[in-house]
Amino acid sequence: DAGVTQSPTHLIKTRGQQVTLRCSPKSGHDTVSWYQQALGQGPQFIFQYYEEEERQRGNFPDRFSGHQFPNYSSELNVNALLLGDSALYLCASSLRVSGVQDRTGELFFGEGSRLTVL
Amino acid sequence: KNQVEQSPQSLIILEGKNCTLQCNYTVSPFSNLRWYKQDTGRGPVSLTIMTFSENTKSNGRYTATLDADTKQSSLHITASQLSDSASYICVVKERGASKIIFGSGTRLSIRP
Repeated sequence: DAGVTQSPTHLIKTRGQQVTLRCSPKSGHDTVSWYQQALGQGPQFIFQYYEEEERQRGNFPDRFSGHQFPNYSSELNVNALLLGDSALYLCASSLRVSGVQDRTGELFFGEGSRLTVL
Repeated sequence: KNQVEQSPQSLIILEGKNCTLQCNYTVSPFSNLRWYKQDTGRGPVSLTIMTFSENTKSNGRYTATLDADTKQSSLHITASQLSDSASYICVVKERGASKIIFGSGTRLSIRP
């Protein structure tokens, strides 16, 4: 049973550049959420995708955008990178049943993509 | 504002000792509370999940408690091992919504 996979695992960018991170959800899951985790902090919610649409969004600027594909995989794009965007970006998948998110809200996380902005 | 606060922020104990981590939340209405273990640079892994009606749940050497009246939870680790060194994150789900709220975590270090 394939878990959540993310790529790349590590990457280094410079200020002003753009980055795309990718996520494949756990087999059978249809909902993908993205989180940003700064060093020593808990994950901060960026947004969630279901049925190829952004369903919820956290307090992140428009520089952060995403996409979900028909196979439920997802991308996170960040434009005009800032030094403060350096973080571990986590993807989590979950299951919605009949349009309502699984009652437990259980999230399965990938190993993350470590982004360093210089 | 719905919040989840954890204490202590960090903790160092000797191998073989027990410890207890705390989580206080203000999330309402409450659905469930989950403890995650996160090794450095890795994704969080779920340890336990507790709903409103559950007071205690164990997973091996990990035992979580929940007091829904006082909105407090604890994670007790028995006979700690070096592999327990990690961050432990408390996560609370709001009932009727898909919103979940993360605590900042407790960083636990086990010394030989």
